Amino acid sequence: AQKITQTQPGMFVQEKEAVTLDCTYDTSDQSYGLFWYKQPSSGEMIFLIYQGSYDEQNATEGRYSLNFQKARKSANLVISASQLGDSAMYFCAMRVGDSGYSTLTFGKGTMLLVSP
Amino acid sequence: GAGVSQSPSNKVTEKGKDVELRCDPISGHTALYWYRQSLGQGLEFLIYFQGNSAPDKSGLPSDRFSAERTGGSVSTLTIQRTQQEDSAVYLCASSFRTSGRSDTQYFGPGTRLTVL
Repeated sequence: AQKITQTQPGMFVQEKEAVTLDCTYDTSDQSYGLFWYKQPSSGEMIFLIYQGSYDEQNATEGRYSLNFQKARKSANLVISASQLGDSAMYFCAMRVGDSGYSTLTFGKGTMLLVSP
Repeated sequence: GAGVSQSPSNKVTEKGKDVELRCDPISGHTALYWYRQSLGQGLEFLIYFQGNSAPDKSGLPSDRFSAERTGGSVSTLTIQRTQQEDSAVYLCASSFRTSGRSDTQYFGPGTRLTVL
């Protein structure tokens, strides 16, 4: 079974500062993918970034980067230069395997509040 | 628009009534997923479709819940004899396929269901 753990229920950051949201995962599969989603107060889940287990480089998408440490089974999201619009719930998720169906397993989320 | 759409955005109903929630996936996506998110909670997987078939219905909370998909496109989630514990946001997602660790799910805005 797969498990995602997000240990920070809430995080506070000042505008323009960088923030790291923690995510650790547990799986016995060697092939897996890690995803981060943002959920603002409007409710929609917005895909941010993806990291594959075989990817040698950390994924980056604009101000988002994923600090992937395979040996530690961690996939932390780094948001650089925080903006007020970054205030939202952030979910880490994982999917395993290359063939056949597998569920997307979500963590419980971290609420990020960005202050002026 | 090119994203996943859901209707209605909000639904208030009385206990015991039936409700239908609709999801229109991204064009070309063969896979479709339903999730439920209760207030302040993470995502609970309900069911997925590959084409028009739903291979795994074990995530549905009870036999009052059913879902169908027609034409490989629109899906309807039906809740019969609604109960107050059914109150939640129901999220739909779609992806290109159901296999592969990199297959990204894209979510709709959700339907907020309130059962009085």
